[in-house]
Amino acid sequence: AQSVTQLGSHVSVSEGALVLLRCNYSSSVPPYLFWYVQYPNQGLQLLLKYTSAATLVKGINGFEAEFKKSETSFHLTKPSAHMSDAAEYFCAVSPSGTASKLTFGTGTRLQVTL
Amino acid sequence: DAGITQSPRHKVTETGTPVTLRCHQTENHRYMYWYRQDPGHGLRLIHYSYGVKDTDKGEVSDGYSVSRSKTEDFLLTLESATSSQTSVYFCAISGTSGGYEQYFGPGTRLTVT
Repeated sequence: AQSVTQLGSHVSVSEGALVLLRCNYSSSVPPYLFWYVQYPNQGLQLLLKYTSAATLVKGINGFEAEFKKSETSFHLTKPSAHMSDAAEYFCAVSPSGTASKLTFGTGTRLQVTL
Repeated sequence: DAGITQSPRHKVTETGTPVTLRCHQTENHRYMYWYRQDPGHGLRLIHYSYGVKDTDKGEVSDGYSVSRSKTEDFLLTLESATSSQTSVYFCAISGTSGGYEQYFGPGTRLTVT
């Protein structure tokens, strides 16, 4: 069984500030972990993925995430927020090594203010 | 972008009518998925396919059926639409290597009146 918890359904940051979106997972086997971004009226776009290689994963648009097994976390960060980062972000988990079903968190809406 | 299209993109239908949504891919990926997205629930898996004519249920499969007669097409049918099936439906695909990440289509907004 696997599950994902995203803390904070809404996060607001100022432009230029650090972005931190939290994701904790539960998995009975070593997981693969993903972050997706969804802009209004669009589908989900893959930001980055962890597949048991490097624990610090870099993605598109300056985002990165660190896999911490001891904390069962995979938090998403970006050093400096841009207005264009405003979107909804989803964390997802699947059992490693298979094209299995993804389990998604409920999402975090990021607002970026001037 | 992954070559995934969904049709129709928007649909309004009446309670009790059957509805079929189509997902078409040009990537020749083995796996295809149907999700629904509702506020506060994230994405929930309805059905998925692991090959032609090979399908299985997800967590919210009641009231839905699927078919996959060709690698590139995955159909989702609401046998008798209900207002609770008003949602945005996303198709996704994944391959058989790497992290098995899924790539998503643009979505279909379905309203059942």
